[in-house]
Order: sequence, then C-alpha cells, then structure tokens
Amino acid sequence: AQTVTQSQPEMSVQEAETVTLSCTYDTSESNYYLFWYKQPPSRQMILVIRQEAYKQQNATENRFSVNFQKAAKSFSLKISDSQLGDTAMYFCAFTLLNRDDKIIFGKGTRLHILP
Amino acid sequence: GAGVSQTPSNKVTEKGKYVELRCDPISGHTALYWYRQSLGQGPEFLIYFQGTGAADDSGLPNDRFFAVRPEGSVSTLKIQRTERGDSAVYLCASSSLGTHYGEQYFGPGTRLTVT
Repeated sequence: AQTVTQSQPEMSVQEAETVTLSCTYDTSESNYYLFWYKQPPSRQMILVIRQEAYKQQNATENRFSVNFQKAAKSFSLKISDSQLGDTAMYFCAFTLLNRDDKIIFGKGTRLHILP
Repeated sequence: GAGVSQTPSNKVTEKGKYVELRCDPISGHTALYWYRQSLGQGPEFLIYFQGTGAADDSGLPNDRFFAVRPEGSVSTLKIQRTERGDSAVYLCASSSLGTHYGEQYFGPGTRLTVT
C-alpha cells in the first residue's frame, strides 16, 4: 500500500522569504506521479506542481520547485519569494502512472506567509 | 470552460437523515472520483467511476454510502442514516481518459455537517 507523510503540520515565514515543505512517501511501485496541491480557504484543490517518477530532472513552475529523491522516497516543495497569496494548506500526493487511479494524500502542511 | 461543480456548497442535516451530494464533472471527462476530507486531514479516496460503472469503490466506509453515475456524467453520492462522524468536506474530481498525466480537476466540495 502507498502512504504519504508530511511531518510539518504548520509553518510560518515572512513574505519574500524561501520556504521548504517536506514530504516522504512509501511504495513498492516504480512508476508513479507525485504532486503538490494547494488548498486555500475556498476549499478548491489547486495543482501546484507535478513530478513523474521516471524523470530525474526536478520539476519547476515559476516560484515553485521540487527536490525529488527517488531512492530516499522524498519529495519536498520549495517556494521562492513567498507571497501573501501563498498562504494555504499544502498537500503532497501520489498516484500510479498510466492508471486512472486514486490519489493518496498526506495530511497537509498549513503555511502562513506573514507580511 | 467550466470546471467541476458541486452542489450544495454546504449541507446541514440531522443525525439519521438521508442526504445526496451532487457532482457535475468537466464536460467530456470520463473518470470521476469522490474523496472525503475530514477536519485537519488530507482527502481520502471513496470511489472512482469510469463512465457509468464504479471501477473502484474500495474507499466507501460502509454500506450507508452509495454513489451513482447513471449517464456517465453527473454523479450523486448518497449517504443513508447519517452519523455525526460523517461530517466532512466531500470533494469530487474528474479526469480525461487518455491523459498520461493522471491529473484530476477538483470541485470546491460540499461541506456536510451532521448535527
């Protein structure tokens, strides 16, 4: 069975700083996707970034980047130049490749960006 | 185009009552998912439809929970004899068969409160 663990329930950083959210996962499969989702108070789940496990290059999307360590089963999210609008719950998530299958979510990290 | 919509946005019901939660997926998306998000937790998978049939209902907690998708588009999650422990946000997501990204698009959820 697949599991996703986020060990930081809550974090706070000053606006414009860089913050890193941690995530580890466990699976016996070799082909899968990893995601970071953002959930603001509106409850809408927004996909922030996606990483295919077969790609060695770390994914980046503007101010968001990941550090994917497949052997260590680690998938951290780095937010650069943090903005007030980044305040939200962040969920690390996992799904198997090429299957319309369920997403396994971590418990989330609540991120506060302070002015 | 329109995203995934869910109605109602909020639902308050008394213990023991029956409720129905509706999900309208993105037009043309053949896969539809239901998740339940309890307070302070990440979403947990309930059921997955491919077309009209339930391809995986392993996440339904018990036989009080049932979901249908009779025409392969709109889906209804039905909960009988509601209990206070059913209080949660129920999220729906849809995805397009054939995408190799596994990306699911989420609706804003229905917040169910059982009093």
